[in-house]
Parts: sequence; C-alpha cells; structure tokens
Amino acid sequence: AQSVTQLDSQVPVFEEAPVELRCNYSSSVSVYLFWYVQYPNQGLQLLLKYLSGSTLVKGINGFEAEFNKSQTSFHLRKPSVHISDTAEYFCAVSDGGGFKTIFGAGTRLFVKA
Amino acid sequence: DVKVTQSSRYLVKRTGEKVFLECVQDMDHENMFWYRQDPGLGLRLIYFSYDVKMKEKGDIPEGYSVSREKKERFSLILESASTNQTSMYLCASSPRKKTGVTTDTQYFGPGTRLTVL
Repeated sequence: AQSVTQLDSQVPVFEEAPVELRCNYSSSVSVYLFWYVQYPNQGLQLLLKYLSGSTLVKGINGFEAEFNKSQTSFHLRKPSVHISDTAEYFCAVSDGGGFKTIFGAGTRLFVKA
Repeated sequence: DVKVTQSSRYLVKRTGEKVFLECVQDMDHENMFWYRQDPGLGLRLIYFSYDVKMKEKGDIPEGYSVSREKKERFSLILESASTNQTSMYLCASSPRKKTGVTTDTQYFGPGTRLTVL
C-alpha cells in the first residue's frame, strides 16, 4: 500500500530565507508525485508534479522539488520565500494506474516579516 | 481555466438531518472525487466516480453516499448527519488520459465547511 509522510507539521521561516518542506513516500510500484498548495479559505491547487524524466521538477511561484528514488523522498524547496507563500502544502502520491491519490497530512508554512 | 464549484462555502446542519453537497466542474472531466479534510489528517478519500452513474468507495465511505447522474455533477450525501462528520469537504475532478497516467492532476473546488450540531 502507498503512504505519504510529511515530516514537519509546521515550518516557520523569515521572509527571503530558503525553505525545504520534507516528504517521504512508500510504494511497491512506480509512483507519480505531486505537491499541492492550499491558501487560506481556498481549495488545493497544483504546485508541481513528477511523472517521469528529470528528477528535478520546477513548479509555479519559484518552487522546485527533487525526486530521490533511493531515499523515497520528494522534498519541496524554494530559495527565497515571500509572505504570500504562507499556506498549507500537501505532498501526494499515486501509482498512475488507478484512481486514488494518497495525500500527506500537510505542512503549514508560516512566513514572517 | 478549470473551474470546480461547490454549492456552499459554509453549512450548518443538525444531527440526523440529510445533507446534500453539490459539486460541478466545467471541463468535461471523467473523474470526480470527494474528500474530507481534517487537521493533522490531510485529505481522505470518501468516494470517487470515473464515469456517469459509476462510483467507487474510497477510504472512509461509511455514513456517506454519492450520486453522479450527469458528467459535470457529483453529489455527496450524508443520509443522517452526525457530529463526527463536521469537517471541510473538498470536491475535485481530473481528466482521464487515453494512455499513460490515469491519476494525474486533480482540480479542486473551494471546499464546503460543514458543521453538524
């Protein structure tokens, strides 16, 4: 069975500092990996996804993530955060062949001035 | 832009009431999903549908049912609401790929925050 672990429930960081949100997954098959962002009082929207190819994936708003198969990780990074990046971030995994996507518990990113 | 709309942003119901949550998407997507979101638990799949009149149970279907009579509309029904169903409910849709990845990007509605008193 697939599962997703987001290692930090909350990450406070100062504006313009770099940030890394950690995600580990477990799966017995090839996986497809996603990061979604949820701004306050909104639904989720896709930040980036890894389906195949280059292990470094670039997404919207300056975020990127690296797929590491040996460490079963898909950590999200941004070199310099803004106040507007304050949101909840969800890592998700699917096997591509079915219909189910498994979501992590979420990481709340607080960007402080 | 893909648009997924949900009938209410906030809803307050009493225990035992029948509750309908409606979701409509305008991008002709085959797949539609209902999740509930609770703090510390992330999103948990209640039901999904991959075609009109088709439905499959997700991870937590107990106490819920769904209806998909038209491609663009997917309804979640709480037959007899209980306080433990107080939660944020998110609807999502995704296209079915002809080949390759079936489970690709999901497009979410804004959510319905349901409170059951």
